[in-house]
Amino acid sequence: QQQVKQSPQSLIVQKGGISIINCAYENTAFDYFPWYQQFPGKGPALLIAIRPDVSEKKEGRFTISFNKSAKQFSLHIMDSQPGDSATYFCAASSQAGTALIFGKGTTLSVSS
Amino acid sequence: NAGVTQTPKFRILKIGQSMTLQCAQDMNHNYMYWYRQDPGMGLKLIYYSVGAGITDKGEVPNGYNVSRSTTEDFPLRLELAAPSQTSVYFCASGQGQNYGYTFGSGTRLTVV
Repeated sequence: QQQVKQSPQSLIVQKGGISIINCAYENTAFDYFPWYQQFPGKGPALLIAIRPDVSEKKEGRFTISFNKSAKQFSLHIMDSQPGDSATYFCAASSQAGTALIFGKGTTLSVSS
Repeated sequence: NAGVTQTPKFRILKIGQSMTLQCAQDMNHNYMYWYRQDPGMGLKLIYYSVGAGITDKGEVPNGYNVSRSTTEDFPLRLELAAPSQTSVYFCASGQGQNYGYTFGSGTRLTVV
C-alpha cells in the first residue's frame, strides 16, 4: 500500500515529441505528488509537483496530470529536447507519513 | 547558498570497516533525510529527522545509524560495512512534510 509504481522503465523519444511517464499509487492518504529529474552523477532535483485539489499543473513544457479516482498521475514533457535526457522519478507522501516514497525511475533518452 | 553538501563524493571501504557520511545544509530546514539509490530500484529511505535531536528509521535502516545534534548537520554512520551497502547515498532536506526536498550531490560508496 506504500508503493508507488512507475512505468515505463525506459523511454526513447524523438526530438520534438511528447514524453509520457506514468505512476500509480494505492495509499489514498497520499496528498503530495512531486516529480524529480536526475542527471548522471547528480542528485535528484524537484521538477514539478501537484496536490490532489487540482487535476493538472503546467510549468513550461512540463505538465502533471492527476486522476484521483484512478490513483494515477503522469508527467508529460512537450517538445522533448536532448537536454531532457535524464532519469525521472515520481514520488508521493502524506501529511501524516514519514517521507517521500519514490518510484523506481524512468530513463528518458531524447534522440536528435 | 550551498544548499545540501555531502562529503565525501566517493569512497571505497573494506568489509568490516566503518565510516561516516557527512551531510550539511544551510537552508535552516528542520526536515532531513538519508536515501540510498541502487540501479533500477529508485530511492529508499534509510533514516530521517524532523528536527535537532529527533531521528527515526525509514524503510532500510539496518547497518546504519544517524544523529542530529544541530539543525544543519545530519551524519550517517556505517558500522561494519558489508558488500550490500555498496550504493549511492543521498542526503536531502526540506522545510516540512509534503514539501519538495533539496538533494545533495551524493556519495558513491563501494564495499569490497
